[in-house]
Amino acid sequence: QQQVKQSPQSLIVQKGGISIINCAYENTAFDYFPWYQQFPGKGPALLIAIRPDVSEKKEGRFTISFNKSAKQFSLHIMDSQPGDSATYFCAARKGPGGGNKLTFGTGTQLKVEL
Amino acid sequence: GAVVSQHPSWVICKSGTSVKIECRSLDFQATTMFWYRQFPKQSLMLMATSNEGSKATYEQGVEKDKFLINHASLTLSTLTVTSAHPEDSSFYICSAGRQSTDTQYFGPGTRLTVL
Repeated sequence: QQQVKQSPQSLIVQKGGISIINCAYENTAFDYFPWYQQFPGKGPALLIAIRPDVSEKKEGRFTISFNKSAKQFSLHIMDSQPGDSATYFCAARKGPGGGNKLTFGTGTQLKVEL
Repeated sequence: GAVVSQHPSWVICKSGTSVKIECRSLDFQATTMFWYRQFPKQSLMLMATSNEGSKATYEQGVEKDKFLINHASLTLSTLTVTSAHPEDSSFYICSAGRQSTDTQYFGPGTRLTVL
């Protein structure tokens, strides 16, 4: 059972454009929603994260939009750059009662073209 | 920032041998560490949760006798792949959580190739 669904699987964006990646979850026990960026052969690096009591969070070019009622959240990358080309994973965490475990989405391979 | 290291970064071994992978939190104490496995072009799959001073908790379908986890101190967890087979070849990644924070910090990963 896939608890966190992520789309699209791959995305090509022109330099300067906006990259949008979407995730949906089912389990209302999730209490923390991070986004990770992963380059080939490297471990994931935290980009930005949000809690469900906030509808939007912005850090630099990265914004998370969160819709609690729809159980959906998305990552927006503004002014996308070739260096942003990587795989992006959304994740959802069950709090202390759930062992603080992260469940990952399936990943989105982003390519930013010149 | 919080730094998590892994050693080795890559390892090649013969089928039937055992391999140990270390995960260290370099600048913070981690009461909980997590071990993940990632196959090419796939997502991260949680294998087990490692708690300092107690037995690891394994996810469904993960063989605890094959993937031995030890969390002997607040800064070190080890994963030993016993009697490795080619199907165990994968990218193994650990993460560590700081107490009272939400964030899990990931290590750089260990590429295991079993011949």
